Amino acid sequence: DAGVIQSPRHEVTEMGQEVTLRCKPISGHNSLFWYRQTMMRGLELLIYFNNNVPIDDSGMPEDRFSAKMPNASFSTLKIQPSEPRDSAVYFCASSFYQYEAFFGQGTRLTVV
Amino acid sequence: AQSVTQLDSQVPVFEEAPVELRCNYSSSVSVYLFWYVQYPNQGLQLLLKYLSGSTLVKGINGFEAEFNKSQTSFHLRKPSVHISDTAEYFCAVTLSGSARQLTFGSGTQLTVLP
Repeated sequence: DAGVIQSPRHEVTEMGQEVTLRCKPISGHNSLFWYRQTMMRGLELLIYFNNNVPIDDSGMPEDRFSAKMPNASFSTLKIQPSEPRDSAVYFCASSFYQYEAFFGQGTRLTVV
Repeated sequence: AQSVTQLDSQVPVFEEAPVELRCNYSSSVSVYLFWYVQYPNQGLQLLLKYLSGSTLVKGINGFEAEFNKSQTSFHLRKPSVHISDTAEYFCAVTLSGSARQLTFGSGTQLTVLP
């Protein structure tokens, strides 16, 4: 398996624009997680899905953020409108039940 | 809710010296514990995990960790470090049972000096 695949790897966008981050989890995994990493706040869980259903989205910063998982092999994290303070590295991870989470390479988002 | 404390934000150590990275957790129920490593501009990679059984867990790259329930700790150790071990290390905890999110510590930057 190729592991968790995220795209794009890097994204630079202007403030106010819509940004969509994409994730393909490992086949057979039933949980998917979106994390955000910044110097100031470290690794923060934004949302996680179990069997494609959002279980906990309490970490989503505000209504500008939304996440979907239309099927077991694809998830998106959308920011609309984007702001400079959203600049961070966004990680997607997947796992099979309570076993370890496997992380993608991350998307480095810069909002100017 | 569970939480994780990594007591040292930075640990410099000379090559071939031993190292211990400290991790304490807080939870009122059973937990699973993990150590992840992150190299620059990379995602997180699992080093080792404790789910149950032996409290001494061996992982990749010569690392090991010991689960101490009474002290609620899961310290990471390596007897002899290499330059290539320079990276950020994260301790993480999740409640045992069905899938749920990992809670991460703030990370420890290990720098191995020549």
